Parts: sequence; C-alpha cells; structure tokens
Amino acid sequence: NAGVTQTPKFRVLKTGQSMTLLCAQDMNHEYMYWYRQDPGMGLRLIHYSVGEGTTAKGEVPDGYNVSRLKKQNFLLGLESAAPSQTSVYFCASSYSLGTGEINQPQHFGDGTRLSIL
Amino acid sequence: GDSVTQMEGPVTLSEEAFLTINCTYTATGYPSLFWYVQYPGEGLQLLLKATKADDKGSNKGFEATYRKETTSFHLEKGSVQVSDSAVYFCALSDRETSGSRLTFGEGTQLTVNP
Repeated sequence: NAGVTQTPKFRVLKTGQSMTLLCAQDMNHEYMYWYRQDPGMGLRLIHYSVGEGTTAKGEVPDGYNVSRLKKQNFLLGLESAAPSQTSVYFCASSYSLGTGEINQPQHFGDGTRLSIL
Repeated sequence: GDSVTQMEGPVTLSEEAFLTINCTYTATGYPSLFWYVQYPGEGLQLLLKATKADDKGSNKGFEATYRKETTSFHLEKGSVQVSDSAVYFCALSDRETSGSRLTFGEGTQLTVNP
C-alpha cells in the first residue's frame, strides 16, 4: 500500500538553485495537490490538478511551477529558490466525483522538508 | 472566501482527560468538514468527516458534529491517551469549488502527558 510517495524527503538548496519535487500516487486518483506547511499557518495550497495534462493555481502559487504529464505523477518545480520557500511540502491526491458532489478526503504523502540557504 | 478558525494551541492534557478542540468556519457554499491528524514526522491522515448538517463523524474515540447553525465542527474525545499527541487540523471543502480543494485551519498541537 504505497499510497502517495514523495521524493526526496529532505533537501538543502542554495538561493537561486532550481529543483523538482516528485509526487507519485498509485490509487488512480484524478485530483492531485501541492501544499506547503509553515509554523502557525496550517497548510496552504500552491497548485493543484483535476486531471492529466491540467494544472491550476492555488492560494500561494508564486515562485512555483507544476506539471502533470501522467495521471499518477505531479511535479512541483522551483526555478530559482528563495529563503522564503523554506518549508515542508506535502503532496495529496483524491477521487473525483465532480463539482457539486460530496467531496472525497485527500490522501497525503509524508512530506519533503526543504531548506534554502 | 472560505476560511477555518481553530482554537489556539498548544494544548497540554494529562492522560484520560477530556479533549475539546474548537473549530468554526465560514463558507460561501455547503461544505464538507474534516478533521485531519498529523503525527510527528508524518503526513496528514484523515481522522473523521461529516458531509451535511447534524452529521456526526467518529473514529478512534474522537467525535465531531457538523453544526450548521453555529458554523462549527468541534473535535472531542472523552479520554485521551499519550498516543493521541499530534497536531490536529480542521478543514473544509466546498462541493461547488472545482478540484475538491481543502481550506485548513492553523492546526492545534496536542500533547498528552502520562
């Protein structure tokens, strides 16, 4: 039961470097999400996807890009890392019953702890 | 827009004490409500949910009732254990919003001492 798998688990970057966080789910979920978790602020949605080949902005999208080329994968990219992007990043996925239907719970990965110096 | 407000933490209790974590929400539509729990070093796990007014979600001794009249979804447990020490998040998802996006509260850190 892999569920949602995030790679890597930890990473330290220097300001200006780029990197990609990978999220993979094996539950055939339509929806996938990227969040960041900062102390005292709960989780904030960065970007999300409602299906293969589609992405949309969340609450805090600036400085991040995403891609969903395959249904099971959702990639989060930082083109030029900044210290303000030091955070714990979580990926999640859920079933889709369509807009207007009862929303299904999201399943989360274990997170990627990213530090930018 | 939608928002969720949780009681401020951290909360420290002795084992077997009664727990209440308050959660209130504002939503433009008719949301589903969730409690998630995060144990140290792990991701969030769904604890319980409720999808319509007066529904009671329950799991592992925890309960929460969807109160539309007070826009609340307070989490309760009659007797906490050391193993319940974690961060608890209240969240909502508006069924009229595409992508089943969740809006989270700030989280409440619970520590249970033996």
